Amino acid sequence: NAGVMQNPRHLVRRRGQEARLRCSPMKGHSHVYWYRQLPEEGLKFMVYLQKENIIDESGMPKERFSAEFPKEGPSILRIQQVVRGDSAAYFCASSPTSGVGNEKLFFGSGTQLSVL
Amino acid sequence: QKEVEQDPGPLSVPEGAIVSLNCTYSNSAFQYFMWYRQYSRKGPELLMYTYSSGNKEDGRFTAQVDKSSKYISLFIRDSQPSDSATYLCAMTVSGGYQKVTFGIGTKLQVIP
Repeated sequence: NAGVMQNPRHLVRRRGQEARLRCSPMKGHSHVYWYRQLPEEGLKFMVYLQKENIIDESGMPKERFSAEFPKEGPSILRIQQVVRGDSAAYFCASSPTSGVGNEKLFFGSGTQLSVL
Repeated sequence: QKEVEQDPGPLSVPEGAIVSLNCTYSNSAFQYFMWYRQYSRKGPELLMYTYSSGNKEDGRFTAQVDKSSKYISLFIRDSQPSDSATYLCAMTVSGGYQKVTFGIGTKLQVIP
């Protein structure tokens, strides 16, 4: 049973380019979360999605960032016109339900984005 | 002021030592408290979960929550080199989904 799969593991972009980060949740999981880990800041919640719906995007920067989780295929985190401050590790997590309780969040190994 | 404060370390201990990791928080609405372990270049992995105040033990790990002091702790007994990792405290309100607030993480090194 494969875990949460993220690709690419490393992504290098020049300032102004677009970055697309992909996340395939664990089999049977329909809830996906994106987190960003900046040096010296720790993991920060960005967005919570269910299939075809954005449930909470309160942690997403208002501009340049978007996320989707289509009916078919992986969840995509898209960053347009990247800047050096976007350099970070981006982690995707999934869970089988939306409940907090004892539900585990399963994290992928992350995508390290480097903006030159 | 950050919602969750955690000393980033690094913390170095000899093998077999008892390790104490802790976090303080400011948001009294937090109800669920977790500890994650993160190895280098990997995603976080849930270690311990507790609801409200109290203690929880799982093998060599004990998690404590003191809501009156807004203070949580993780104790690791008989520490092993394989415990060397970054430990992140995490917490969330009862919102029905896992919008988790993390501490910055404490880097632990257990020296053989």
